[in-house]
Amino acid sequence: DAKTTQPPSMDCAEGRAANLPCNHSTISGNEYVYWYRQIHSQGPQYIIHGLKNNETNEMASLIITEDRKSSTLILPHATLRDTAVYYCIVRALTPGGTSYGKLTFGQGTILTVHP
Amino acid sequence: KAGVTQTPRYLIKTRGQQVTLSCSPISGHRSVSWYQQTPGQGLQFLFEYFSETQRNKGNFPGRFSGRQFSNSRSEMNVSTLELGDSALYLCASSLGLDFSGNTIYFGEGSWLTVV
Repeated sequence: DAKTTQPPSMDCAEGRAANLPCNHSTISGNEYVYWYRQIHSQGPQYIIHGLKNNETNEMASLIITEDRKSSTLILPHATLRDTAVYYCIVRALTPGGTSYGKLTFGQGTILTVHP
Repeated sequence: KAGVTQTPRYLIKTRGQQVTLSCSPISGHRSVSWYQQTPGQGLQFLFEYFSETQRNKGNFPGRFSGRQFSNSRSEMNVSTLELGDSALYLCASSLGLDFSGNTIYFGEGSWLTVV
């Protein structure tokens, strides 16, 4: 599975955009980038995912570089409730190559939003 | 619609006992995965079920097992509990065999403490 590298921690002021980077330089052409967050050891919450194009939903935007070696999750107007661990995951095909498999979680980025 | 439902939310077991955890996926979802989260190892994939068949398995001992029923509900069982099995056990569901990067949703988890 492609490995991801994220900064251990980041800070953001409330109301400002939070830009969380992720490096996945060994990603393959058919591997998706997923983002989840986890608050106080609740279940991970799905944020967004994408393959090649930039994606946006009601929670966030995902910007994937043209070479797909890195991506950025953007929370446009961070609130205190966005304080969480954010996981960037590259999801690969199963060894048989017939379908997409497990999510492999790393250590993530602890985002702290300050008042 | 209802999310992924896991029961029980909290339980305490004694070493050597066995435990069964239950997961009801989102209505219409046919794929269920299980993950273990511990402070030391983070989030790790246990197994995935689709159409009552185990599709993928993580690197866990045979004491960890699971099954899926015809209504897509799933259970996981841990036999001969060890102190190190204390963890948050997470269930995730998605539509089915994933050929196009489906969204995967997690439940709130079952907190298991082994004493």
